[in-house]
Amino acid sequence: KAGVTQTPRYLIKTRGQQVTLSCSPISGHRSVSWYQQTPGQGLQFLFEYFSETQRNKGNFPGRFSGRQFSNSRSEMNVSTLELGDSALYLCASSRLAGGSYEQYFGPGTRLTVT
Amino acid sequence: QQQVKQSPQSLIVQKGGISIINCAYENTAFDYFPWYQQFPGKGPALLIAIRPDVSEKKEGRFTISFNKSAKQFSLHIMDSQPGDSATYFCAASTDKLIFGTGTRLQVFP
Repeated sequence: KAGVTQTPRYLIKTRGQQVTLSCSPISGHRSVSWYQQTPGQGLQFLFEYFSETQRNKGNFPGRFSGRQFSNSRSEMNVSTLELGDSALYLCASSRLAGGSYEQYFGPGTRLTVT
Repeated sequence: QQQVKQSPQSLIVQKGGISIINCAYENTAFDYFPWYQQFPGKGPALLIAIRPDVSEKKEGRFTISFNKSAKQFSLHIMDSQPGDSATYFCAASTDKLIFGTGTRLQVFP
């Protein structure tokens, strides 16, 4: 079974621009979560989508948004990029196992804002 | 209350030794405690997980010990190998994963 795929893998953008990142979950997984990973703040939860609806949201400004399509693929968008948005953005798809949602991560998109 | 505190920040172990990483939490609503392993340039990979109704879970060389009353859990890596050198994250979850700050493990031959 193919794992979680994320595109693009690397991205360089300029302050003020916007960016869209894409995630394809493991086949059959309906939940997709997004995380931001930085050396200073570690792994932080952005939001989760399930069946095209945002089910949960972290403490990030409204510049960060996402959506999920009917095939469970998800995109996240960051508008008006700031230098501090430079990070590894990780997508995880989930399956219910033993009463808990196991999350499986993709390789991430490395975003650099200059 | 949503924090998960992880220690140590870094760990150096000799090949064949035992690596121990500890985590503590405050929120008693957490009901799922996974550990992730991350190699440079890769996403975190689910290693092993435990629910609070179990005190210990073992998978191969990896064991989670869980102390509900102390609100602590730990990862033990037995017979540590150079290939185990990576960053390890504990996490706790109710409806979303809250991650610890990570432990960089280096195993020397």
